[in-house]
Amino acid sequence: DADVTQTPRNRITKTGKRIMLECSQTKGHDRMYWYRQDPGLGLRLIYYSFDVKDINKGEISDGYSVSRQAQAKFSLSLESAIPNQTALYFCATSAFGTSGGLGPTGELFFGEGSRLTVL
Amino acid sequence: AQSVTQLGSHVSVSEGALVLLRCNYSSSVPPYLFWYVQYPNQGLQLLLKYTTGATLVKGINGFEAEFKKSETSFHLTKPSAHMSDAAEYFCAVSRSGGYQKVTFGTGTKLQVIP
Repeated sequence: DADVTQTPRNRITKTGKRIMLECSQTKGHDRMYWYRQDPGLGLRLIYYSFDVKDINKGEISDGYSVSRQAQAKFSLSLESAIPNQTALYFCATSAFGTSGGLGPTGELFFGEGSRLTVL
Repeated sequence: AQSVTQLGSHVSVSEGALVLLRCNYSSSVPPYLFWYVQYPNQGLQLLLKYTTGATLVKGINGFEAEFKKSETSFHLTKPSAHMSDAAEYFCAVSRSGGYQKVTFGTGTKLQVIP
């Protein structure tokens, strides 16, 4: 089983609908992230959370909200989806540590992605 | 501010040929540098990283990269391409001290021709 699990893996919805993407992890990491991937643009950070009481906006948070329900669960919501939110969304985790703030290995661990299409 | 530039959004090599994927970074402080690989329909996974110490770093699947401060580069190489290397590769930069954002490049898709 994957250490970082995203659901759903694929979703097609219509403009104006509310959508939730869920992420759960079994790595025991306290830090979780939501990224968006668009062709030619790489990955951009939407929100990140250091623990259940600490949530921070990333570079493209407008139109998105998040909830950290537990250390292992971090969900991303689109309150009213629009077509330009069509993208591949990734959840990621990292361990706490003093090395670069990303943890001892300086590594992000990614889920397999959720492909969202907004018509 | 920090940034990453990956030269070439698509690179094609013949099987057995040298793989060279270019990455240049901008950072006002000493950087941490990463290469991630994304296979089709999968998430990203770490290939290798540079934080401190030896500037030539070796990663998984025969890949390596060299941190060149004078050139602000962190190019990824592999002596002999294999068909299984076909994927998208992302260079990323961060830095030490507390939480530091990871900035990703726009990615390079590697095609390996039989």
